[in-house]
Amino acid sequence: SQQGEEDPQALSIQEGENATMNCSYKTSINNLQWYRQNSGRGLVHLILIRSNEREKHSGRLRVTLDTSKKSSSLLITASRAADTASYFCATDYSGGYNKLIFGAGTRLAVHP
Amino acid sequence: GAVVSQHPSRVICKSGTSVKIECRSLDFQATTMFWYRQFPKKSLMLMATSNEGSKATYEQGVEKDKFLINHASLTLSTLTVTSAHPEDSSFYICSARDTSGRSHNEQFFGPGTRLTVL
Repeated sequence: SQQGEEDPQALSIQEGENATMNCSYKTSINNLQWYRQNSGRGLVHLILIRSNEREKHSGRLRVTLDTSKKSSSLLITASRAADTASYFCATDYSGGYNKLIFGAGTRLAVHP
Repeated sequence: GAVVSQHPSRVICKSGTSVKIECRSLDFQATTMFWYRQFPKKSLMLMATSNEGSKATYEQGVEKDKFLINHASLTLSTLTVTSAHPEDSSFYICSARDTSGRSHNEQFFGPGTRLTVL
């Protein structure tokens, strides 16, 4: 399968808690990106981390990348009900055309 | 960021008909566009890579005669689902890569087209 894996598949937390999602992939990459998708809607680009970077921050988001383990994690701190969505990692495949291969996704539910 | 539009946003058609979906990059030129399909509660699956002026490259398992892709200009790619059947009902999303140098080859996604085949 071209897809990577994400865990957990679903995550349910209370507002204010932190949410951590993990992503594993299979190929060599140029970069790894995280996207959010609200139900039935388009994708929102959250953050991009390059293959030579190990950690990146953007607001309440923290992304790590371990190319030796072919894995990444997305941490959302101090979660809010508005963070409820599906989160996908996508790897920019270095084999050509800069194809994005998406992970299976994590469905996050943040309860007030 | 750059804007990618899709048209239509929703389409309902009868089984056996063909449906065309347009993907446009509104403020940049895109030599490469990508088409994805997403089933309910599933992830995006790359269907094909669309290259301006040449044939599309299809992913394994995607029927090129079923899903016709035309990338006739630097701002427009079309996906035609031919002889659609209920199992083709899905959310189709396109993306376009901005190769101008201002956004590091970042891909920008359209809002998606929901196809329902009756």
